[in-house]
Amino acid sequence: RKEVEQDPGPFNVPEGATVAFNCTYSNSASQSFFWYRQDCRKEPKLLMSVYSSGNEDGRFTAQLNRASQYISLLIRDSKLSDSATYLCVVNGGAGSYQLTFGKGTKLSVIP
Amino acid sequence: SAVISQKPSRDICQRGTSLTIQCQVDSQVTMMFWYRQQPGQSLTLIATANQGSEATYESGFVIDKFPISRPNLTFSTLTVSNMSPEDSSIYLCSVVAGGPVDTQYFGPGTRLTVL
Repeated sequence: RKEVEQDPGPFNVPEGATVAFNCTYSNSASQSFFWYRQDCRKEPKLLMSVYSSGNEDGRFTAQLNRASQYISLLIRDSKLSDSATYLCVVNGGAGSYQLTFGKGTKLSVIP
Repeated sequence: SAVISQKPSRDICQRGTSLTIQCQVDSQVTMMFWYRQQPGQSLTLIATANQGSEATYESGFVIDKFPISRPNLTFSTLTVSNMSPEDSSIYLCSVVAGGPVDTQYFGPGTRLTVL
């Protein structure tokens, strides 16, 4: 069974804190990896793709370890607006558009 | 990215009835999908909506229950047939548009409650 596992949280952190989310996936054929953000009662929105070399977008850093089938997301200097559920997402293999979603990790940033 | 709209945004339906959900994209897209997100759960792919041919369904989903139309490259419908309370969920369409080749963007969703 193809699965994506995430710590459901919730993570309650103060503003300015650094928080890290982890994700493992079972499909070794997966080639594309993403973090999506989902606000309450809203649709998921792409936060960032995850590349083997690791990538950074402002306060957000994503890492991929293919050997361990492990993906991480680091958020630095947390803002109140970062409060959301973060979904780890992987595809079904090379050329596949089929995405498997984790159940998400809920983050609450507290004033 | 693409601008995606869905109708209706929400509905409350009686069991045994059917609801058709529309998904409209502001540009032509090749790949369009339908997902379901049950309460407290993550997204599950229902099917790939293929333009000009029958949709491709994932395991556990069948055409009789979830018929899909894709008459052109900007529009698709999903029907939830013979509804039961277990069908209460958010239904989302998504498209592959712009960005990395397999980046998916989601519509705002249709929140369905079946009584």
